[in-house]
Amino acid sequence: AQKITQTQPGMFVQEKEAVTLDCTYDTSDPSYGLFWYKQPSSGEMIFLIYQGSYDQQNATEGRYSLNFQKARKSANLVISASQLGDSAMYFCALSMEYGNKLVFGAGTILRVKS
Amino acid sequence: DGGITQSPKYLFRKEGQNVTLSCEQNLNHDAMYWYRQDPGQGLRLIYYSQIVNDFQKGDIAEGYSVSREKKESFPLTVTSAQKNPTAFYLCASSIIRSTNEKLFFGSGTQLSVL
Repeated sequence: AQKITQTQPGMFVQEKEAVTLDCTYDTSDPSYGLFWYKQPSSGEMIFLIYQGSYDQQNATEGRYSLNFQKARKSANLVISASQLGDSAMYFCALSMEYGNKLVFGAGTILRVKS
Repeated sequence: DGGITQSPKYLFRKEGQNVTLSCEQNLNHDAMYWYRQDPGQGLRLIYYSQIVNDFQKGDIAEGYSVSREKKESFPLTVTSAQKNPTAFYLCASSIIRSTNEKLFFGSGTQLSVL
């Protein structure tokens, strides 16, 4: 069965520092995608970054980068130069070629301290 | 601006009552989804639809029903058979259903039982 694990229920980071949010996944599909979403207190899910299983380079989007280690089945999100507005819940999600759904992890709450 | 509109933002249900959550998108997306989010947990798929007049059950479809009569609309009915309906409900859409297509989310509906 496909599964996503986020082992950090909550994280604190000092403003302007970098932080890594962990995500491991389990799938036997050869083709899959990994997403990270941000959910602020307003509730809306905001897309941050995507990594395909066949992508050779780690994905980057502005201050967000994805540390993709395929052999270890991990897809950690790195946020550089944290800002107060980064305080939110962060979800890792796995999309498979077969199965027609996006499987979400339990999320990590990030709090940025000034 | 294109996007997904969910209404109402807050909804209260009495015992034995059916309630319907609205989801409308003007992104011209083919695929639409309903997710349920419980406190401290990730999102779980209730139903999804890839084309008009067709939809499939997700992981937790019992006690819910949907329709897809128009491309833009995908309402969710929480029936009296759903014994624990209190949750945050998120509607999403994507261009098509594939591993690399990101989901766009609405701002959610919080459903509570009176």
